[in-house]
Amino acid sequence: AQSVTQLDSHVSVSEGTPVLLRCNYSSSYSPSLFWYVQHPNKGLQLLLKYTSAATLVKGINGFEAEFKKSETSFHLTKPSAHMSDAAEYFCVVSDLRDTGRRALTFGSGTRLQVQP
Amino acid sequence: DAGVTQSPTHLIKTRGQQVTLRCSPKSGHDTVSWYQQALGQGPQFIFQYYEEEERQRGNFPDRFSGHQFPNYSSELNVNALLLGDSALYLCASSFWGLQTEAFFGQGTRLTVV
Repeated sequence: AQSVTQLDSHVSVSEGTPVLLRCNYSSSYSPSLFWYVQHPNKGLQLLLKYTSAATLVKGINGFEAEFKKSETSFHLTKPSAHMSDAAEYFCVVSDLRDTGRRALTFGSGTRLQVQP
Repeated sequence: DAGVTQSPTHLIKTRGQQVTLRCSPKSGHDTVSWYQQALGQGPQFIFQYYEEEERQRGNFPDRFSGHQFPNYSSELNVNALLLGDSALYLCASSFWGLQTEAFFGQGTRLTVV
């Protein structure tokens, strides 16, 4: 079984300040982990992914995430927030199994607000 | 290169009716998965199709069914609609068996009245 907990439903930051969106996961197998972003009335866009290579993963638009197995965490960070970063962010886990089947398990989402 | 396309974008149905949603995967992808996203929640996995067969299914009743065609496109059918079926339905495409990311369409907003 696998699950994802996003520790904050809402995060508000000022433009130009750092962003931290927290995610903890649970997985019976070696996990693949993703962060997706969803802007209003738009589909889901992949920000970054971890698939057992480097533990520090760089994504698009300046976002990064660090896989910490001991803490079962995969927090998303960005050094400086931009107004265009305001959106809903989802942490996602998938099991990397031999069968190749993949069902994504989503967290409940974190709404990021960026104040001017 | 067209990404994942879904139709229609919006739909209003009455309780008890049936609905069909459509999805065309990203060019070259052979696997289609469907997700339901209720308002204010994360998407939940409904089922996945590969080689025209349902390969994996989430915790959804049999009222939810699907199909995949030889060109890899897919349909999601929901029978006997309930008010609680109102949601954004997302289609995702990927390669079977490879740990690559899934690409999502913009979704179909279904409202049941």
